[in-house]
Amino acid sequence: EAGVAQSPRYKIIEKRQSVAFWCNPISGHATLYWYQQILGQGPKLLIQFQNNGVVDDSQLPKDRFSAERLKGVDSTLKIQPAKLEDSAVYLCASSFPAGNEQFFGPGTRLTVL
Amino acid sequence: AQSVAQPEDQVNVAEGNPLTVKCTYSVSGNPYLFWYVQYPNRGLQFLLKYITGDNLVKGSYGFEAEFNKSQTSFHLKKPSALVSDSALYFCAVRDEGDYKLSFGAGTTVTVRA
Repeated sequence: EAGVAQSPRYKIIEKRQSVAFWCNPISGHATLYWYQQILGQGPKLLIQFQNNGVVDDSQLPKDRFSAERLKGVDSTLKIQPAKLEDSAVYLCASSFPAGNEQFFGPGTRLTVL
Repeated sequence: AQSVAQPEDQVNVAEGNPLTVKCTYSVSGNPYLFWYVQYPNRGLQFLLKYITGDNLVKGSYGFEAEFNKSQTSFHLKKPSALVSDSALYFCAVRDEGDYKLSFGAGTTVTVRA
């Protein structure tokens, strides 16, 4: 089966610019996760979707980050405006059912200059 | 609150020798425990999980992990390490009643030929 797809793989922007990341989960996986992985740290959950509803967004910096999963399949994570400390790898994962092992995409490496 | 500790930033072993990567956890209820591996510029790859049952769990690529409730540990082991096992390993935990997964900071494993 196809894995979790993410694009772009790399992105370089200047601070205060906006950026968007796309994720396509494994077919049939109702639960989708966005993580932020800062160099030298483990992934930190930003937001979790169950179908197109938000389950947990308690660690999402809502003043600048937003995410949506309109049709319960693909998802987009946006940062506007970006800060230097947003430089990280953004990982998308999916699972079925929720709470089972998660399957991760290759990630998007964001560099904010 | 749930948390994971990986006390070693780095583990170095010779090829053919046993490999152990340590993990301790803290949850309020019953733990669901996971190990993931990350190769350079790749997403996380699921290795194995403990939900319930036998304390010794076998996973992918010859890895296994032992759940020890009294010591709140879930150490990853491989009897004979390969150079290709060199990667970043993450332990993760969630509480039985919560879908949120918490990751450790990771342990870099280097297997020398």
